[in-house]
Amino acid sequence: DTGVSQDPRHKITKRGQNVTFRCDPISEHNRLYWYRQTLGQGPEFLTYFQNEAQLEKSRLLSDRFSAERPKGSFSTLEIQRTEQGDSAMYLCASSLAGKLGVPSGANVLTFGAGSRLTVL
Amino acid sequence: AQKVTQAQTEISVVEKEDVTLDCVYETRDTTYYLFWYKQPPSGELVFLIRRNSFDEQNEISGRYSWNFQKSTSSFNFTITASQVVDSAVYFCALRGSARQLTFGSGTQLTVLP
Repeated sequence: DTGVSQDPRHKITKRGQNVTFRCDPISEHNRLYWYRQTLGQGPEFLTYFQNEAQLEKSRLLSDRFSAERPKGSFSTLEIQRTEQGDSAMYLCASSLAGKLGVPSGANVLTFGAGSRLTVL
Repeated sequence: AQKVTQAQTEISVVEKEDVTLDCVYETRDTTYYLFWYKQPPSGELVFLIRRNSFDEQNEISGRYSWNFQKSTSSFNFTITASQVVDSAVYFCALRGSARQLTFGSGTQLTVLP
């Protein structure tokens, strides 16, 4: 088990370009989350998947953002027409929810190291 | 709505001092879970502890201890005999009926040798 992997770790792009981040969760985890973290702030929730279904999206997730988890394994987060305000660390996390007798709210998120986006 | 407040933005201590990181939360849920995560300079959030709203027992794990008080909606974290390796940003987080974790803004702890 190699933990949660994110790729790329760093991305520098020009305003208006599209970028895509990939997250590979822990293999047996059924939930996958995307968070965004700006400098000096805590992570802010963007969206989460249970298996391949996207169950919740934050109002922070504008229509330029799209996330997928096509086979319930890895996930991608795409940002179209990037803006300078999109510069942030994008964190992926996964968890095993609703199994082993653990209440859903108690499940612990395991985070990846993040993908840092800089929009020039 | 749920909210987590970490009023201490930065704390600096000298090695071997004890330090307490404060966390105050707001939620209307009667069942909820509180978490602490550590974010070292490498950036990866590391889980430290989880407590549920029905268990107010304080917990100690080595040099770490947590004080949960529902009456004041606080879940404070104390490091005893701090070490340089404890330097990191520490986040308190809350999950109630919502599926996602709500994080505080974090406390940057610097332990000086």
